[in-house]
Amino acid sequence: GAVVSQHPSRVICKSGTSVKIECRSLDFQATTMFWYRQFPKKSLMLMATSNEGSKATYEQGVEKDKFLINHASLTLSTLTVTSAHPEDSSFYICSARFRTSGGPGTGELFFGEGSRLTVL
Amino acid sequence: AQSVAQPEDQVNVAEGNPLTVKCTYSVSGNPYLFWYVQYPNRGLQFLLKYITGDNLVKGSYGFEAEFNKSQTSFHLKKPSALVSDSALYFCAVRDITGNFNKFYFGSGTKLNVKP
Repeated sequence: GAVVSQHPSRVICKSGTSVKIECRSLDFQATTMFWYRQFPKKSLMLMATSNEGSKATYEQGVEKDKFLINHASLTLSTLTVTSAHPEDSSFYICSARFRTSGGPGTGELFFGEGSRLTVL
Repeated sequence: AQSVAQPEDQVNVAEGNPLTVKCTYSVSGNPYLFWYVQYPNRGLQFLLKYITGDNLVKGSYGFEAEFNKSQTSFHLKKPSALVSDSALYFCAVRDITGNFNKFYFGSGTKLNVKP
């Protein structure tokens, strides 16, 4: 299947600093990528939709100034957690949709390996 | 709005026995349903999907899922469980009514397969 690479896999930072997480589609072009946050009780929350060449679309309740998303190219999206606080500690997962010939809606998502952020 | 529900927080099964992980959906229009598996501290891996066609969908690692329109269910099944199947399983629905075809996930079900 298609490969999505996410980096770093683990990061520890001090409160008040910013952290950038990269998401790359390695063998396909992804005009749209999605960022999820996974909470300790395992549920996945869709944070935002990252669109190549335009502004990200954020889900309700997600602070766009806190979680900066940039989709610089067809293969790269970045999530920057600005002025991180301990409550931002979480597992962040990116994903990209692999286009299929079956038409809109038929392609599955491929996920990165996730990034565990710990804010001290 | 599109949504899926996974009523079981955890499923325990003995190795070699059949397993079922439940999922029900609520969608407007035709459902686009998916199953994913997650191993500890890893991303999600695609297992199978239902878009149209046969109600019984076969996927990776011997898993299959049955789409039941009358019961609005899409349960994940495997005839004979392996210890290595122990993981977190997510049902997902794709919302194609918006611009970006977002995926929404259920709360996840932890599958424990005991030797």
